[in-house]
Parts: sequence; structure tokens; C-alpha cells
Amino acid sequence: SQTIHQWPATLVQPVGSPLSLECTVEGTSNPNLYWYRQAAGRGLQLLFYSVGIGQISSEVPQNLSASRPQDRQFILSSKKLLLSDSGFYLCAWSGTGSQPQHFGDGTRLSIL
Amino acid sequence: QKEVEQNSGPLSVPEGAIASLNCTYSDRVSQSFFWYRQYSGKSPELIMSIYSNGDKEDGRFTAQLNKASQYVSLLIRDSQPSDSATYLCAVYRNYQLIWGAGTKLIIKP
Repeated sequence: SQTIHQWPATLVQPVGSPLSLECTVEGTSNPNLYWYRQAAGRGLQLLFYSVGIGQISSEVPQNLSASRPQDRQFILSSKKLLLSDSGFYLCAWSGTGSQPQHFGDGTRLSIL
Repeated sequence: QKEVEQNSGPLSVPEGAIASLNCTYSDRVSQSFFWYRQYSGKSPELIMSIYSNGDKEDGRFTAQLNKASQYVSLLIRDSQPSDSATYLCAVYRNYQLIWGAGTKLIIKP
């Protein structure tokens, strides 16, 4: 069966520091991969998605970037975090076609 | 008009009753629809997928789809306190899911 791993579970970072969140999927090949952010009490905001290695689509202009160096690895990065980057970051995967997405456990990011 | 609309709630339902959650969508060509449950502080969890008009049942959950009227609903029978969560409706489009803002459901013991 397929599993998705996302770490760390919680992260506290100072303003202006860099960020790297990693997500890996097991048990499937060529998944579609997604990064979302969810502010407290709010809905899901799609940040990036990828349909293949090196293919990244950005949905929201911001100081975040994403990379997909391997088929089942998706990385979310920032060079300098802002206070507004605080939130719950979720990685998800789906199969090809109109398949549902399956989420990792998320990373709760607090910026001080 | 939002692409996927849900009543934000909270929807309060007595334990043992039927909870009815509704979702409308604007893109008439949408073909795939999903319901997710999200507990506070946790990630969303898929509970139902529906692709054809009509009803689809899975245990205490029934998803209903009406493409002509562009709505999809979720019924939860014999509601339990553990069903208290936010329920998210999502519609597939071009590699993505378009999400509703979610309905907060509270089951009162």
C-alpha cells in the first residue's frame, strides 16, 4: 500500500531564516505531488503541484519554492521566512487521472 | 461566486441522528467529487469518492451526486461524537482539487 511521509511534525523558526520541508511517497510510481498551506481556522491553499520530476507549477506568488529532485520526493523551501509564512503545511499525493489526494500528517510551522 | 461552496456551520446534530452536509460547485463539466474529514489539528482524510449521479454508500456514510443541479452531499447516519470534525468537499479539475471551505460538524451527546 502507499504511504506518505512528511517531516518534521512541528517547526519553530525565526523570521528571515531558511526553510526546507520534505515529503516522500512510498508504494507508487510517478505520483502527482502537492504542497498546501492551511492558516488557523481557514481552508486549504494550494501552493505548488508537480506531475513529474522537475515539473513544478506554482499557484500562489510568494517567497516559497518547491522542487522535485526524485520521482517520489517533494521539497518545499524558502530562503527567508516571513511572519505570514506561519501555518500548517500539508503534502499530498494522487495517482494519475481524476484520483483523490492523500495527505501526509503535516508540519506545523511557527515563525517568531 | 466561489467554485465550490459549503455552509461553514457549525452544524449541530444530536447523537444518533442523521447529519446532512451539502456542497455546490460551479463547473458544469466536473466529473469527480470527494469528501474529506479533518479533525482539529490533523490532516484531511478521504472518506468518500463519487463519480456518477446517484447515491454511494460506505458504512454509515452516503454520498449523493446530482450533476444536473451541481450539488454533492454527504449523509452520516447514526452520528457519533467521533464524527465531530470539519468536512471538506473537493472537486477534481486539471490535476488539482478545488476545495470548499469546509463545514464544521458538531455531534451533541
